[in-house]
Amino acid sequence: DAMVIQNPRYQVTQFGKPVTLSCSQTLNHNVMYWYQQKSSQAPKLLFHYYDKDFNNEADTPDNFQSRRPNTSFCFLDIRSPGLGDAAMYLCATSSGTYEQYFGPGTRLTVT
Amino acid sequence: DQQVKQNSPSLSVQEGRISILNCDYTNSMFDYFLWYKKYPAEGPTFLISISSIKDKNEDGRFTVFLNKSAKHLSLHIVPSQPGDSAVYFCAATPQGAQKLVFGQGTRLTINP
Repeated sequence: DAMVIQNPRYQVTQFGKPVTLSCSQTLNHNVMYWYQQKSSQAPKLLFHYYDKDFNNEADTPDNFQSRRPNTSFCFLDIRSPGLGDAAMYLCATSSGTYEQYFGPGTRLTVT
Repeated sequence: DQQVKQNSPSLSVQEGRISILNCDYTNSMFDYFLWYKKYPAEGPTFLISISSIKDKNEDGRFTVFLNKSAKHLSLHIVPSQPGDSAVYFCAATPQGAQKLVFGQGTRLTINP
Protein backbone atom coordinates (compact mmCIF):
# COMPACT_ATOMS: atom_id res chain seq x y z
CA ASP A 1 0.00 0.00 0.00
CA ALA A 2 1.19 3.49 -0.83
CA MET A 3 1.78 5.39 2.37
CA VAL A 4 3.54 7.98 4.47
CA ILE A 5 5.92 6.56 7.07
CA GLN A 6 7.39 8.39 10.03
CA ASN A 7 10.26 7.18 12.18
CA PRO A 8 10.56 6.95 15.04
CA ARG A 9 7.00 7.01 16.37
CA TYR A 10 8.24 8.18 19.76
CA GLN A 11 11.41 10.18 20.35
CA VAL A 12 12.87 11.33 23.63
CA THR A 13 15.66 13.88 23.55
CA GLN A 14 17.45 16.00 26.10
CA PHE A 15 17.12 19.75 26.35
CA GLY A 16 19.51 21.29 23.81
CA LYS A 17 20.48 17.99 22.16
CA PRO A 18 19.91 18.02 18.37
CA VAL A 19 17.30 15.59 17.09
CA THR A 20 16.20 14.48 13.62
CA LEU A 21 12.79 13.14 12.69
CA SER A 22 12.31 11.17 9.50
CA CYS A 23 9.51 10.92 6.95
CA SER A 24 9.32 8.76 3.83
CA GLN A 25 6.60 8.26 1.26
CA THR A 26 5.77 5.73 -1.42
CA LEU A 27 3.12 7.93 -3.07
CA ASN A 28 5.64 9.69 -5.31
CA HIS A 29 4.10 13.02 -4.36
CA ASN A 30 6.07 16.16 -5.15
CA VAL A 31 5.01 18.13 -2.09
CA MET A 32 6.02 17.22 1.47
CA TYR A 33 4.99 19.07 4.64
CA TRP A 34 5.96 19.19 8.30
CA TYR A 35 3.37 20.17 10.91
CA GLN A 36 3.73 20.66 14.65
CA GLN A 37 0.75 19.80 16.83
CA LYS A 38 0.73 20.57 20.53
CA SER A 39 -1.83 19.06 22.85
CA SER A 40 -5.43 20.06 22.01
CA GLN A 41 -4.23 22.58 19.44
CA ALA A 42 -4.50 22.80 15.67
CA PRO A 43 -1.69 21.28 13.62
CA LYS A 44 0.55 24.17 12.60
CA LEU A 45 2.53 24.14 9.36
CA LEU A 46 6.27 24.61 9.87
CA PHE A 47 7.44 24.38 6.23
CA HIS A 48 6.99 22.45 3.05
CA TYR A 49 8.93 21.36 -0.02
CA TYR A 50 7.53 21.63 -3.51
CA ASP A 51 9.96 19.31 -5.25
CA LYS A 52 13.30 20.77 -4.12
CA ASP A 53 11.92 24.24 -3.41
CA PHE A 54 11.83 24.93 0.32
CA ASN A 55 9.00 27.10 1.68
CA ASN A 56 9.35 28.25 5.26
CA GLU A 57 6.40 29.66 7.22
CA ALA A 58 7.11 33.17 8.48
CA ASP A 59 6.70 32.26 12.14
CA THR A 60 8.70 29.02 12.14
CA PRO A 61 11.63 29.40 14.57
CA ASP A 62 15.16 29.18 13.18
CA ASN A 63 15.70 26.23 15.50
CA PHE A 64 13.73 24.13 13.02
CA GLN A 65 15.37 23.05 9.76
CA SER A 66 14.46 20.59 7.06
CA ARG A 67 16.16 18.55 4.37
CA ARG A 68 14.75 16.72 1.39
CA PRO A 69 17.52 14.67 -0.24
CA ASN A 70 15.16 13.03 -2.75
CA THR A 71 11.47 12.71 -3.63
CA SER A 72 10.83 9.97 -1.08
CA PHE A 73 12.47 11.32 2.05
CA CYS A 74 12.17 14.46 4.15
CA PHE A 75 13.81 15.20 7.50
CA LEU A 76 13.00 17.61 10.31
CA ASP A 77 16.01 18.76 12.30
CA ILE A 78 15.61 20.53 15.62
CA ARG A 79 18.98 22.06 16.41
CA SER A 80 18.53 22.81 20.11
CA PRO A 81 15.24 21.42 21.42
CA GLY A 82 13.57 23.31 24.21
CA LEU A 83 10.82 22.11 26.52
CA GLY A 84 8.35 24.06 24.40
CA ASP A 85 9.20 21.94 21.37
CA ALA A 86 7.62 18.85 22.88
CA ALA A 87 4.78 18.02 20.50
CA MET A 88 3.48 15.64 17.87
CA TYR A 89 5.22 16.20 14.53
CA LEU A 90 3.19 15.25 11.48
CA CYS A 91 4.55 14.72 8.00
CA ALA A 92 2.19 14.99 5.04
CA THR A 93 2.40 14.73 1.26
CA SER A 94 0.34 15.91 -1.67
CA SER A 95 0.46 15.71 -5.45
CA GLY A 96 -0.14 19.45 -5.66
CA THR A 97 -3.87 19.33 -5.05
CA TYR A 98 -5.52 20.49 -1.87
CA GLU A 99 -5.73 16.98 -0.39
CA GLN A 100 -2.86 15.96 1.88
CA TYR A 101 -1.93 12.50 3.11
CA PHE A 102 -0.56 12.26 6.63
CA GLY A 103 1.82 9.92 8.37
CA PRO A 104 1.10 8.63 11.89
CA GLY A 105 3.29 11.28 13.50
CA THR A 106 6.30 11.30 15.81
CA ARG A 107 5.70 12.26 19.42
CA LEU A 108 8.70 14.19 20.69
CA THR A 109 9.44 14.44 24.40
CA VAL A 110 12.12 16.84 25.66
CA THR A 111 13.61 16.10 29.08
CA ASP B 1 -4.92 35.11 14.90
CA GLN B 2 -6.54 31.80 14.28
CA GLN B 3 -8.26 31.80 10.92
CA VAL B 4 -10.10 28.51 11.31
CA LYS B 5 -11.90 27.78 14.56
CA GLN B 6 -13.73 24.83 16.00
CA ASN B 7 -15.37 26.14 19.13
CA SER B 8 -16.60 22.81 20.49
CA PRO B 9 -13.74 20.70 21.84
CA SER B 10 -16.03 17.69 22.26
CA LEU B 11 -19.40 16.30 21.18
CA SER B 12 -21.27 13.23 22.35
CA VAL B 13 -24.00 11.66 20.18
CA GLN B 14 -26.09 8.53 20.44
CA GLU B 15 -25.54 5.82 17.86
CA GLY B 16 -27.96 6.15 14.95
CA ARG B 17 -28.55 9.89 15.47
CA ILE B 18 -27.09 12.76 13.51
CA SER B 19 -23.70 14.25 14.44
CA ILE B 20 -23.14 17.89 13.49
CA LEU B 21 -19.63 19.32 13.73
CA ASN B 22 -19.12 23.02 13.23
CA CYS B 23 -16.30 25.21 11.98
CA ASP B 24 -15.96 28.97 11.54
CA TYR B 25 -13.39 30.88 9.52
CA THR B 26 -12.31 34.50 9.37
CA ASN B 27 -10.60 34.68 5.99
CA SER B 28 -12.69 34.90 2.82
CA MET B 29 -9.71 33.97 0.67
CA PHE B 30 -9.93 30.22 1.08
CA ASP B 31 -10.29 27.97 -1.99
CA TYR B 32 -11.28 24.68 -0.40
CA PHE B 33 -12.50 23.46 2.95
CA LEU B 34 -11.75 19.97 4.15
CA TRP B 35 -12.61 17.68 7.02
CA TYR B 36 -10.07 15.25 8.39
CA LYS B 37 -10.66 12.45 10.87
CA LYS B 38 -8.03 11.31 13.35
CA TYR B 39 -7.92 8.16 15.44
CA PRO B 40 -5.49 7.87 18.38
CA ALA B 41 -1.93 6.98 17.34
CA GLU B 42 -2.73 7.61 13.67
CA GLY B 43 -2.32 10.58 11.38
CA PRO B 44 -5.32 12.57 10.15
CA THR B 45 -7.12 11.00 7.18
CA PHE B 46 -9.05 12.93 4.59
CA LEU B 47 -12.81 12.61 4.88
CA ILE B 48 -14.61 15.07 2.62
CA SER B 49 -14.06 18.47 1.03
CA ILE B 50 -16.01 21.33 -0.51
CA SER B 51 -15.00 24.03 -2.96
CA SER B 52 -15.60 27.62 -1.92
CA ILE B 53 -17.95 28.01 -4.92
CA LYS B 54 -20.30 25.28 -3.69
CA ASP B 55 -22.60 25.14 -0.69
CA LYS B 56 -23.02 21.40 -0.24
CA ASN B 57 -21.12 18.20 -0.88
CA GLU B 58 -22.31 14.73 0.01
CA ASP B 59 -20.50 11.41 0.26
CA GLY B 60 -22.46 8.54 1.73
CA ARG B 61 -23.22 9.27 5.37
CA PHE B 62 -21.16 12.47 5.31
CA THR B 63 -22.39 15.86 4.10
CA VAL B 64 -20.54 19.15 4.34
CA PHE B 65 -22.41 22.45 4.17
CA LEU B 66 -20.77 25.80 3.47
CA ASN B 67 -22.40 29.10 4.40
CA LYS B 68 -20.15 31.77 2.90
CA SER B 69 -22.07 34.75 4.23
CA ALA B 70 -21.71 33.42 7.78
CA LYS B 71 -18.18 32.08 7.14
CA HIS B 72 -19.32 28.80 8.59
CA LEU B 73 -19.16 25.19 7.57
CA SER B 74 -20.54 22.08 9.13
CA LEU B 75 -20.11 18.33 8.77
CA HIS B 76 -23.18 16.14 9.17
CA ILE B 77 -22.82 12.44 9.84
CA VAL B 78 -26.00 10.41 9.64
CA PRO B 79 -26.56 7.86 10.96
CA SER B 80 -23.69 8.03 13.45
CA GLN B 81 -21.83 4.79 14.10
CA PRO B 82 -19.43 3.77 16.90
CA GLY B 83 -16.53 3.74 14.40
CA ASP B 84 -17.11 7.46 13.85
CA SER B 85 -15.70 8.18 17.30
CA ALA B 86 -12.55 10.20 16.58
CA VAL B 87 -11.18 13.74 16.52
CA TYR B 88 -12.43 15.74 13.53
CA PHE B 89 -10.39 18.61 12.12
CA CYS B 90 -11.70 21.30 9.86
CA ALA B 91 -9.09 22.73 7.46
CA ALA B 92 -8.93 25.28 4.67
CA THR B 93 -6.57 26.06 1.80
CA PRO B 94 -5.67 29.74 1.28
CA GLN B 95 -5.97 30.89 -2.33
CA GLY B 96 -2.81 30.16 -4.30
CA ALA B 97 -1.11 28.50 -1.34
CA GLN B 98 0.01 24.89 -1.07
CA LYS B 99 -0.95 24.45 2.55
CA LEU B 100 -3.74 23.73 5.01
CA VAL B 101 -4.87 25.89 7.91
CA PHE B 102 -6.40 23.71 10.60
CA GLY B 103 -8.92 24.20 13.37
CA GLN B 104 -8.24 22.82 16.85
CA GLY B 105 -10.38 19.74 16.37
CA THR B 106 -13.57 18.36 17.92
CA ARG B 107 -13.58 15.02 19.70
CA LEU B 108 -16.71 13.10 18.66
CA THR B 109 -17.91 10.23 20.84
CA ILE B 110 -20.67 7.98 19.61
CA ASN B 111 -22.48 6.25 22.46
CA PRO B 112 -24.18 2.88 21.94
